[in-house]
Amino acid sequence: DGGITQSPKYLFRKEGQNVTLSCEQNLNHDAMYWYRQDPGQGLRLIYYSQIVNDFQKGDIAEGYSVSREKKESFPLTVTSAQKNPTAFYLCASSRASGRGDNEQFFGPGTRLTVL
Amino acid sequence: AQKVTQAQTEISVVEKEDVTLDCVYETRDTTYYLFWYKQPPSGELVFLIRRNSFDEQNEISGRYSWNFQKSTSSFNFTITASQVVDSAVYFCALGGNAGNMLTFGGGTRLMVKP
Repeated sequence: DGGITQSPKYLFRKEGQNVTLSCEQNLNHDAMYWYRQDPGQGLRLIYYSQIVNDFQKGDIAEGYSVSREKKESFPLTVTSAQKNPTAFYLCASSRASGRGDNEQFFGPGTRLTVL
Repeated sequence: AQKVTQAQTEISVVEKEDVTLDCVYETRDTTYYLFWYKQPPSGELVFLIRRNSFDEQNEISGRYSWNFQKSTSSFNFTITASQVVDSAVYFCALGGNAGNMLTFGGGTRLMVKP
């Protein structure tokens, strides 16, 4: 089955630690995205990538880093510089037409809690 | 800059009632794309519909219907005869003519009570 997987589903982190959230897709999509969702809030774009080895900052990139070494993988690292990292993180992918006309497919999300 | 507003943060209805979720958007693009997604309690967003700005026909899919009105920059979503399984957060999103990104509204939490 084609889709997006995210792991782990739940993640606990101590303050001061970096953690990496995994996102893998087998939809052959060029574009991938990371969103943050806080309780009762909408989705805010952290980073996105439209092609392998290239990525751009979204609206709230501070304290986060990404890599895109393979088409199917787009891991997100939450660094200790992120002041309030507790949130629900969603990864998505889509075709890359250069326009916002393609639906994004979402993974099941990772819930990160900082202890 | 693009913006999507979902003014209703939470709606509660009784099963079998009809309910309309509002979505108002702002964009300077002459060609744009509108989406609705459903986020059930499991958390994963599920794509429901995409509408192009040059296609103003309304659409019906079973109990779901969408009303696109360019004159009022709105793309409202109606669920007819709501069911408990419709309980979820619904997001409206906007895509523009440059770049693959979508701008999401803040979401509307729909609670359907038996």
